[in-house]
Amino acid sequence: GENVEQHPSTLSVQEGDSAVIKCTYSDSASNYFPWYKQELGKRPQLIIDIRSNVGEKKDQRIAVTLNKTAKHFSLHITETQPEDSAVYFCAASKRWNTGKLIFGQGTTLQVKP
Amino acid sequence: DVKVTQSSRYLVKRTGEKVFLECVQDMDHENMFWYRQDPGLGLRLIYFSYDVKMKEKGDIPEGYSVSREKKERFSLILESASTNQTSMYLCASRGQGKETQYFGPGTRLLVL
Repeated sequence: GENVEQHPSTLSVQEGDSAVIKCTYSDSASNYFPWYKQELGKRPQLIIDIRSNVGEKKDQRIAVTLNKTAKHFSLHITETQPEDSAVYFCAASKRWNTGKLIFGQGTTLQVKP
Repeated sequence: DVKVTQSSRYLVKRTGEKVFLECVQDMDHENMFWYRQDPGLGLRLIYFSYDVKMKEKGDIPEGYSVSREKKERFSLILESASTNQTSMYLCASRGQGKETQYFGPGTRLLVL
């Protein structure tokens, strides 16, 4: 069945360093890849997404890259700040009309001041 | 702003009880979703609904049912709660043709 693998499960970086989280999906028909951020005790919120017709997308300090051939996509956070500390989830979808998402297992990012 | 609310933040129930979790959204969204979130497993889709009275099984529907009688409300039902249903339950909604899913605050359910 459809599956999304996310690595690493935990990531600790110093403030100002970059952080990279990687996801691999199994279904080559997947065409939409969002990333959600969940701060402690709060609801997940979309931070960036990419569609399969685009290889890279940036929004200030965050960027997502997609390699369709290898079926993987990555989240890049530059100049990390303590407020970036959270759990990050990647997801993949091929059923655009229903919005069904398959989520990765999550990555807990800790940014040390 | 999209607002998705859930009926309870914390809930404690006994094994065998019937449990209702309610989700309400105020943005006239067609699509609504129920997920459970467990450490190391991410978010797993239980059921979703793409319109009123329509429902479709997600990846882990066993032990759950849903009801969507009105567009703004999507209920998750545990017919006979079991300890392995102790989890965080998240509801989400999405407008038809839109990309973003908006999540509720979650209900942390403990089944004793």
